Amino acid sequence: GAVVSQHPSWVICKSGTSVKIECRSLDFQATTMFWYRQFPKQSLMLMATSNEGSKATYEQGVEKDKFLINHASLTLSTLTVTSAHPEDSSFYICSLGTGVYEQYFGPGTRLTVT
Amino acid sequence: RKEVEQDPGPFNVPEGATVAFNCTYSNSASQSFFWYRQDCRKEPKLLMSVYSSGNEDGRFTAQLNRASQYISLLIRDSKLSDSATYLCVVNKRGSYIPTFGRGTSLIVHP
Repeated sequence: GAVVSQHPSWVICKSGTSVKIECRSLDFQATTMFWYRQFPKQSLMLMATSNEGSKATYEQGVEKDKFLINHASLTLSTLTVTSAHPEDSSFYICSLGTGVYEQYFGPGTRLTVT
Repeated sequence: RKEVEQDPGPFNVPEGATVAFNCTYSNSASQSFFWYRQDCRKEPKLLMSVYSSGNEDGRFTAQLNRASQYISLLIRDSKLSDSATYLCVVNKRGSYIPTFGRGTSLIVHP
């Protein structure tokens, strides 16, 4: 399967600051990546679909101005949480599809906003 | 009704036991089905795809019942290392976008 990395794996920031999370595909050219959020004991919730070279497609209820996604190359997508608040504290995971409907996930980024 | 439903458990079983999980889906147009495993504070990892004919991988067997719209995962001879949350994932026909169940927690004890 494809190998996906995320950076940072863990971040603590103050309320009001912005945090950028990187998702890299190490061995696969990903035209599409997905961003998820997972709260404790909850399922993964798809936030947006990131398309290389075009605007991301956001799921209903996800603020596109707050969660900025940039997919500038076939191996890198970034998610920026702008003006973070404590309620944004969560586990953020990216994944890429390989064309056969299976998903390969990055190791996740645990964000804590104080 | 949620698109993908799972019993959250936890299922608490002794080593060596056989345990089965079910997952129901509401969209009859669903086409692709998967089981993922997620360890605490880790990302999900693909366990197995679920085909119409069913499939088996070692101690794990997955089945699909389209008529009743559910998939199942059977784990035989449970190991301590099988303790994890098992996520059911369903894709609609022609879509790469998956829908996740909330997961079923399995705890295997000595």
